[in-house]
Amino acid sequence: AQSVAQPEDQVNVAEGNPLTVKCTYSVSGNPYLFWYVQYPNRGLQFLLKYITGDNLVKGSYGFEAEFNKSQTSFHLKKPSALVSDSALYFCAVRDSNSGYSTLTFGKGTMLLVSP
Amino acid sequence: DAGVIQSPRHEVTEMGQEVTLRCKPISGHDYLFWYRQTMMRGLELLIYFNNNVPIDDSGMPEDRFSAKMPNASFSTLKIQPSEPRDSAVYFCASSLTGATNTEAFFGQGTRLTVV
Repeated sequence: AQSVAQPEDQVNVAEGNPLTVKCTYSVSGNPYLFWYVQYPNRGLQFLLKYITGDNLVKGSYGFEAEFNKSQTSFHLKKPSALVSDSALYFCAVRDSNSGYSTLTFGKGTMLLVSP
Repeated sequence: DAGVIQSPRHEVTEMGQEVTLRCKPISGHDYLFWYRQTMMRGLELLIYFNNNVPIDDSGMPEDRFSAKMPNASFSTLKIQPSEPRDSAVYFCASSLTGATNTEAFFGQGTRLTVV
């Protein structure tokens, strides 16, 4: 079975500071990893994904994520946070060895960026 | 493409009434997913379709819930009879054929309130 853990319900950061939102995963095969963002009263928007290759992937709005196989982690990062980054962030995983399997989402982490 | 379109955006209904939520996936996508989001349980997969055929409905909470996909461009999620505990935001998402490395695209959601 595949699973995702987002250990922090909320992350607080001051504008201009770097941010990290943590995600760890568990799959039986190789993982396909995704980050989504949800703004208030909106659907989930795709940010970035890791499939293969370079462990550091870059996505929308200046976000990036680093895949670490030994630590089974895929943390979301941004060098300089903006107040407008405040939103709910979801990490998701799909097992590449399970034929077509659905995305499994974490519970989400609320990011609050203060001015 | 306008993306995944859901209607209505908001629905308020009385307990015991039938509720129908609608979804139009992105043209050409052959996977369609229904999710439910609540504060307590996060994002839950209810059911998903491939080429209009239901593949896994193990997430459907009760027989009161049913979903159909009569054609490639339309799906419904029906709750009959509705109960207050069904109050949640319901999302529809779609993705491209079988490739496990593809992301899902979400609609704006339907916020259901059962009073």
